Amino acid sequence: GAVVSQHPSWVICKSGTSVKIECRSLDFQATTMFWYRQFPKQSLMLMATSNEGSKATYEQGVEKDKFLINHASLTLSTLTVTSAHPEDSSFYICSAPPGGGGNQPQHFGDGTRLSIL
Amino acid sequence: DAKTTQPPSMDCAEGRAANLPCNHSTISGNEYVYWYRQIHSQGPQYIIHGLKNNETNEMASLIITEDRKSSTLILPHATLRDTAVYYCIVSRGYSTLTFGKGTMLLVSP
Repeated sequence: GAVVSQHPSWVICKSGTSVKIECRSLDFQATTMFWYRQFPKQSLMLMATSNEGSKATYEQGVEKDKFLINHASLTLSTLTVTSAHPEDSSFYICSAPPGGGGNQPQHFGDGTRLSIL
Repeated sequence: DAKTTQPPSMDCAEGRAANLPCNHSTISGNEYVYWYRQIHSQGPQYIIHGLKNNETNEMASLIITEDRKSSTLILPHATLRDTAVYYCIVSRGYSTLTFGKGTMLLVSP
């Protein structure tokens, strides 16, 4: 079945550094991928929609210059948290619907736990 | 996407059936009902989905009422590993998924 791989699974870094998170669709092509953020004891919140070959669409309140999204190929989307600060610490999760539209379920990566010191 | 309502928590004894309800009274004709679960510190895991007919797979069964305004996810023989937050989501599938608070299912020995 459709598999989405996310890397790294866990990262700790100093305040002010930039962190890149990768999301790959392993056995299908994904023209669209979604990025979510989840704070402790809260539900997943959609951050942005990543579109292959075009600019990402960001949800209201999400800074596009802070969270850079690149979807350069049909199997890879990256989220870069620029100049990360402690308030950016969260669980970041990507998902991708199998291509061709329809009702097939989206599949999620295992998430990236980001801790900014 | 239509909004869903789920109980915040449920308990179930190991080996018994877990029946998780979901209300989606504003569901539209082209929206499916999806169920995902999230085990602590992991990404959501797809369980099952359906449009209007009942569905069954190796993980669970999905019962959708005839008017499609509510559904029930059934885990026939719950195990300790089924302890998770269960999300009922109504969507056209290829669009974004809106996660509510879900139901925290606690399976006890």
